[in-house]
Amino acid sequence: EVQLVESGGGLVQPGGSLRLSCAASGFTFSSYSMNWVRQAPGKRLEWVSYISSSSSTIYYADSVKGRFTISRDNAKNSLYLQMNSLRAEDTAVYYCARAQWGSGVDAFDIWGQGTMVTVFS
Amino acid sequence: DIQMTQSPSALSASVGDRVTITCRASQSISSWLAWYQQKPGKAPKLLIYQTSSLESGVPSRFSGSRSGTEFTLTISSLQPDDFATYYCQQYNRLWTFGQGTKVEFK
Repeated sequence: EVQLVESGGGLVQPGGSLRLSCAASGFTFSSYSMNWVRQAPGKRLEWVSYISSSSSTIYYADSVKGRFTISRDNAKNSLYLQMNSLRAEDTAVYYCARAQWGSGVDAFDIWGQGTMVTVFS
Repeated sequence: DIQMTQSPSALSASVGDRVTITCRASQSISSWLAWYQQKPGKAPKLLIYQTSSLESGVPSRFSGSRSGTEFTLTISSLQPDDFATYYCQQYNRLWTFGQGTKVEFK
């Protein structure tokens, strides 16, 4: 079964850090670009970051640029999001999502169940 | 940045109704538009990609179309499982989502 499972969410104070992980199974992870998408409570989906299959191309939303770092380990079938200098407005469910056709700017065909990040003071 | 504006924000409908949701892009995105369905507490599910292509396993009552920068999701005959929130997404230049349309039971 094709599956993505996120972990690493939790409660953190403003200015703190968290590292999210996404474990992939059921497909050739190293062949697919991956993304992080977040959704604040009651709000629309917001794309956060993209990484190509070989990690050669990375994009960030302006709202997280300079604070978040996306990475992947193809040997471990895992995607990561290092989040530093967290703010209250980063509070959201964070989803990892697979690029549909593997590379480039695609729709997202497989999503994880999400992990909640709460930034509170 | 490309902005996506969905309408309506919410609608009430009955089983069997034909439902139409519209999404307008702030600039040309060619046909690089997808539609997702999201139920409370769940991840989004891809329904349609590249404006009108149905994702595998998605019922044929869902369809998509385009007129310029205006895109439409149509549910031809609403079923009980279709009560959810629907989002459009452009992927012409990075990714942007619409604000969502909640389809509620009338």
